[in-house]
Amino acid sequence: QSVLTQPPSVSGAPGQRVTISCTGSSSNIGADYDVHWYQQLPGTAPRVLIYGNSNRPSGVPDRFSGSKSGTSASLAITGLQAEDEAHYYCQSYDSTLSSSRVVFGGGTKLTVL
Amino acid sequence: QVKLVESGGGVVQPGRSLRLSCAASGFRFSYYALHWVRQAPGKGLEWVAVISFDGKNKFAADSVKGRFSISRDNSKNTVYLQMNSLKIEDTGVYYCARVPSPSAARPHNYFDYWGQGALVTVSS
Repeated sequence: QSVLTQPPSVSGAPGQRVTISCTGSSSNIGADYDVHWYQQLPGTAPRVLIYGNSNRPSGVPDRFSGSKSGTSASLAITGLQAEDEAHYYCQSYDSTLSSSRVVFGGGTKLTVL
Repeated sequence: QVKLVESGGGVVQPGRSLRLSCAASGFRFSYYALHWVRQAPGKGLEWVAVISFDGKNKFAADSVKGRFSISRDNSKNTVYLQMNSLKIEDTGVYYCARVPSPSAARPHNYFDYWGQGALVTVSS
């Protein structure tokens, strides 16, 4: 059971817009910790898509955008392309009285129809 | 360019030990904190451990605390993960990942560079 909750799968046709949600709680996203997003293509290491809730590293197309509100965050992908088919993970930080740690969502498989 | 290369993976029996290495190049190694993140077959990402730029601060996930230890040698640009008392559920790909910060405990850290991963299989 992941600390951050993502839908297991989403899908969309080429050119469409899809969003992937990441739901946390008051000890992570709701505590104002940043949310970051990673893309993992089959058989490869993850790569950062969005950092600090809404910032794109150089080289990441502006079709990818991130937002955060309250205890949730979202990744939006517009103009869907075949090469976007991958797993997507959100990541944040969780801090309670007993422990502090990096946490990930369970991942979302994006299928381009 | 930044490069992280893991090595040391393999097949090991439950209860035995293994040490992973991550050799870094292309950046000022001693300036950055480094993490290990793992991924069980067909599963999601799980944070394992972190070490600060100078090796003085280290933290590990509860699932590996007391069994795994992280260390680094800044003279060799290498970070290590010593894995003892391995369990079947430790099977997976282990990634070395850099954060753009020297601190091991900065809450807003994200992973800006990843290695290609090392496969660890724990099986009898």
